[in-house]
Amino acid sequence: DAGVIQSPRHEVTEMGQEVTLRCKPISGHNSLFWYRQTMMRGLELLIYFNNNVPIDDSGMPEDRFSAKMPNASFSTLKIQPSEPRDSAVYFCASTGTTVLNSPLHFGNGTRLTVT
Amino acid sequence: SQQGEEDPQALSIQEGENATMNCSYKTSINNLQWYRQNSGRGLVHLILIRSNEREKHSGRLRVTLDTSKKSSSLLITASRAADTASYFCATSGSGNTPLVFGKGTRLSVIA
Repeated sequence: DAGVIQSPRHEVTEMGQEVTLRCKPISGHNSLFWYRQTMMRGLELLIYFNNNVPIDDSGMPEDRFSAKMPNASFSTLKIQPSEPRDSAVYFCASTGTTVLNSPLHFGNGTRLTVT
Repeated sequence: SQQGEEDPQALSIQEGENATMNCSYKTSINNLQWYRQNSGRGLVHLILIRSNEREKHSGRLRVTLDTSKKSSSLLITASRAADTASYFCATSGSGNTPLVFGKGTRLSVIA
């Protein structure tokens, strides 16, 4: 199995631009999570989906952030417009159960730099 | 917040020594998990211990859980240079709630 696949691995953009991060979960997994990692705040949960349905987006910092999961094999996290404080590593993780505290499989992340 | 806090923030040891990392949390948990993160990579699940368990082993890893003190420890025995990474604890409260991660311990094993 290829594991959780995220793209791009690195993204550098200017403030005000739209950024779209992509995630392909492990085939057959039905829960998907987006986390953000910074030195100051550690790993923060942004949003999670069960069976493609967003369950809790209370971790999404602002309306500039949105996430979708149009099907079981693809999810996007969009930031529009981006700001320098959005600079972080964004991780997608999946698990093969709707039990949310099951072990997670993480992708290798997207390192976002907003200048 | 139930977020776990790891201690120490950073640890440097010689190859062959044992490494102990601690995690404290604030609320009742369903289970506690430990993850490892190599530089530039995603987190990898190491071990899960349930709230009714006190100790668990996996290879060179030993995890203990003390729910009365709301704390857990991860012991890596006979450390190797390849164990150099950040280690995170993650907790989940009662009910079907997602994992909350601590800020991690950076372990450096010097050959």
